Amino acid sequence: EVQLVESGGGLVKPGGSLRLSCAASGFIFSSYSMNWVRQAPGRGLEWVSCISTRSEHLYYRDSDRDRFTISRDDARNSLYLQMNSLRDDDTAIYYCARAPGGGFGVADLWGQGTLVTVSS
Amino acid sequence: EIVLTQSPATLSLSPGERATLSCRASQSVSNYLAWYQQKPGQVPRLLIYDTPNRATGTPARFSGSGSGTDFTLTISSLEPEDFAIYYCQQRSKWPWTFGQGTKVEIK
Repeated sequence: EVQLVESGGGLVKPGGSLRLSCAASGFIFSSYSMNWVRQAPGRGLEWVSCISTRSEHLYYRDSDRDRFTISRDDARNSLYLQMNSLRDDDTAIYYCARAPGGGFGVADLWGQGTLVTVSS
Repeated sequence: EIVLTQSPATLSLSPGERATLSCRASQSVSNYLAWYQQKPGQVPRLLIYDTPNRATGTPARFSGSGSGTDFTLTISSLEPEDFAIYYCQQRSKWPWTFGQGTKVEIK
């Protein structure tokens, strides 16, 4: 079955760290750019980060560039997001998403998401 | 960053009616505009990409049009399963951004 399964979310205090993981199956993971997209509770969607095939290109929002690190392990069919210096406004469901056809900026397959709650 | 403004915020229609959703960009995004559907408790689903292209599995009643800064998603005849929130999204310039959503609700 073609799917993405996220893990690693949880409750963390402001200033803390979390590492999110996404396990891919059912498709050739190494052939696709991958993404993290988040959705704050009851709010809209925000594209967090993107990593190209072979990790050649990495994309971060300016506000996250010094705090978040996206990475992938094609041998393990896995995507990661290391989040440091977490803030209250990072609270959201974090979705792992695939970009189709080796391109960028479109997400045709989404995981169910993992909830990150930043609160003291 | 490019701001996408969707209108209306809420669209109240009956099954069988035509739905017209608008998305306006703060600067040109060429044709790099996608539409997603999200139902309560579910993950977003890609419907349309690069303006007119339907994603795999998207019914033909969904169509996208526009270019530059003004885009439209049309649902020709609403089915019960189409009542949801719809988001537009641009991939012309990083950071890729979403609109705030249009809720299509049953009248």
